[in-house]
Amino acid sequence: GQQLNQSPQSMFIQEGEDVSMNCTSSSIFNTWLWYKQDPGEGPVLLIALYKAGELTSNGRLTAQFGITRKDSFLNISASIPSDVGIYFCAGQRGSGGGADGLTFGKGTHLIIQP
Amino acid sequence: SAVISQKPSRDICQRGTSLTIQCQVDSQVTMMFWYRQQPGQSLTLIATANQGSEATYESGFVIDKFPISRPNLTFSTLTVSNMSPEDSSIYLCSVELPEGLAGVWETQYFGPGTRLLVL
Repeated sequence: GQQLNQSPQSMFIQEGEDVSMNCTSSSIFNTWLWYKQDPGEGPVLLIALYKAGELTSNGRLTAQFGITRKDSFLNISASIPSDVGIYFCAGQRGSGGGADGLTFGKGTHLIIQP
Repeated sequence: SAVISQKPSRDICQRGTSLTIQCQVDSQVTMMFWYRQQPGQSLTLIATANQGSEATYESGFVIDKFPISRPNLTFSTLTVSNMSPEDSSIYLCSVELPEGLAGVWETQYFGPGTRLLVL
């Protein structure tokens, strides 16, 4: 099935640096979501975006819903060791509580060097 | 907040056998979903399960291979039938939760997953 184009595939950064990752799609999604998955765990929701152009923050995380509804980015400021993990973007055709399953990106592996 | 649990958390199975995975939520939910995550890969939607109706399967997934039950608003099962090594994956359920029940957004939240290895 369709997948979102997520980049970068992996990132090696120093603690304290800012991180940026993005997702693009050839088709429109009405909801964009960002999840983090730690080893042995299910994905944990970080941020949900429901309106084109929307910019939403959750602590050190900021995400934006692209104006064309075909892309989104996630920024993490001042990274800390517990930010290590795999970050997934996901798109949903429905808007806010829709009945659709999610289409996922391939993930960004974030590795923080001490 | 809502709690989503899955059983078993992991299993090792022989090819040709079947495994039934359970997903339990401590709140009533309308929509439940089942995903597969192959080793080192992203998540792929298998099917959508509404209480009281047949599950809706995505392209590439069929009911004979992945039968799903949804007997009530807090429970669902996914069976992986006639398993082969290619079925080795993490199987995850997710539920659509309203704002405030498990977080600040009305959207999908995931269980911890079931790690399946088929020999």
